[in-house]
Amino acid sequence: GAVVSQHPSWVICKSGTSVKIECRSLDFQATTMFWYRQFPKQSLMLMATSNEGSKATYEQGVEKDKFLINHASLTLSTLTVTSAHPEDSSFYICSAKGAGDTQYFGPGTRLTVL
Amino acid sequence: QQQVKQSPQSLIVQKGGISIINCAYENTAFDYFPWYQQFPGKGPALLIAIRPDVSEKKEGRFTISFNKSAKQFSLHIMDSQPGDSATYFCAASPRTGNTPLVFGKGTRLSVIA
Repeated sequence: GAVVSQHPSWVICKSGTSVKIECRSLDFQATTMFWYRQFPKQSLMLMATSNEGSKATYEQGVEKDKFLINHASLTLSTLTVTSAHPEDSSFYICSAKGAGDTQYFGPGTRLTVL
Repeated sequence: QQQVKQSPQSLIVQKGGISIINCAYENTAFDYFPWYQQFPGKGPALLIAIRPDVSEKKEGRFTISFNKSAKQFSLHIMDSQPGDSATYFCAASPRTGNTPLVFGKGTRLSVIA
């Protein structure tokens, strides 16, 4: 099956710093990538939809200036959490969709902001 | 209209038993219904998916049953094993375009020996 990777798998940062998370589709071209946030014991909350070469579409309530998304190629999308604060601590998961119906998820990135 | 309602929230099943998780939707534009399995600290993994042109799809011990008129679909796990203990999410989306999946709230399954 298709593989999506994320890097890093976990990160700890100080409040006020920025953190970049990479999402890569390893064996297929992803025309669309999605970024989710998940709190413990909860469902996935969609943050934004990213199409290669165009601006991301953010869900209502998600600050686009805080969560910067770049989808520069068909295999790479990045999420940058700017000026991170403790309330941004969460599990961030990306997914990628190619030509078919299936969304393939990455393994997730655990962000802890001190 | 965009919601997918999933039940139960949690489920405890004896080893060897059948686990059944149900989902319901309202948006008639939905025509792709995947189920994902998620272990703690991991990303969701596609388990099985169905389209409305069939009423049932089976892959190994996992079966999706689909009732288009009732707008309901369910996951059956036969011969449940302790290794199946995980959170299961149903989801739905239109097939066309790059519309994101709408997820249910998840079911935490515990299979006990």
